[in-house]
Amino acid sequence: AQSVTQLDSHVSVSEGTPVLLRCNYSSSYSPSLFWYVQHPNKGLQLLLKYTSAATLVKGINGFEAEFKKSETSFHLTKPSAHMSDAAEYFCVVTEAAGNKLTFGGGTRVLVKP
Amino acid sequence: GAVVSQHPSWVICKSGTSVKIECRSLDFQATTMFWYRQFPKQSLMLMATSNEGSKATYEQGVEKDKFLINHASLTLSTLTVTSAHPEDSSFYICSASRLAGDEADTQYFGPGTRLTVL
Repeated sequence: AQSVTQLDSHVSVSEGTPVLLRCNYSSSYSPSLFWYVQHPNKGLQLLLKYTSAATLVKGINGFEAEFKKSETSFHLTKPSAHMSDAAEYFCVVTEAAGNKLTFGGGTRVLVKP
Repeated sequence: GAVVSQHPSWVICKSGTSVKIECRSLDFQATTMFWYRQFPKQSLMLMATSNEGSKATYEQGVEKDKFLINHASLTLSTLTVTSAHPEDSSFYICSASRLAGDEADTQYFGPGTRLTVL
């Protein structure tokens, strides 16, 4: 069975400062891990994906995530937050193609001017 | 590439009527499409998984006779909420995954449909 825990339900940062969103997972197999972003009343947009090719994954909009197997973590970071980064972020795991996704509870990011 | 559309983006209907929501993969073929429901300030809840040409697989607690899913082609799946009631009001999101290859485990999401039942 797989599970995902997002350690912070809310994160507040000032514009221009770094953002860190924490995610821990559990999986019986070698998982694929994703980060999605959801702006209000919108669908989910894929930020990045890990599939064992490289532990540091670069995504869109300046985001990146590092897969650490020993810590079962997949934290998302961005060096400098922008106002447009204010949204809900979901860490997601799946164990195989066509399998169900398991979602974390989400982290709401607030960016202060 | 990998764009998924939904139609309509929002719908208001009277209690007891049926509503159909369409999900299309615009620039790729999708073997599998998924339907989710999202309540305010919550994560997504998977309702069902549909494969082209076969019956959908519903998650526990989801009424298959109430939420009818049809996946008639590799680019179109529909969700029909039958005899809708106010408690069916929600944000419905679909997703699609590619036919094959190293992208087959990635789901691309539609923009969602806001259903309000009066």
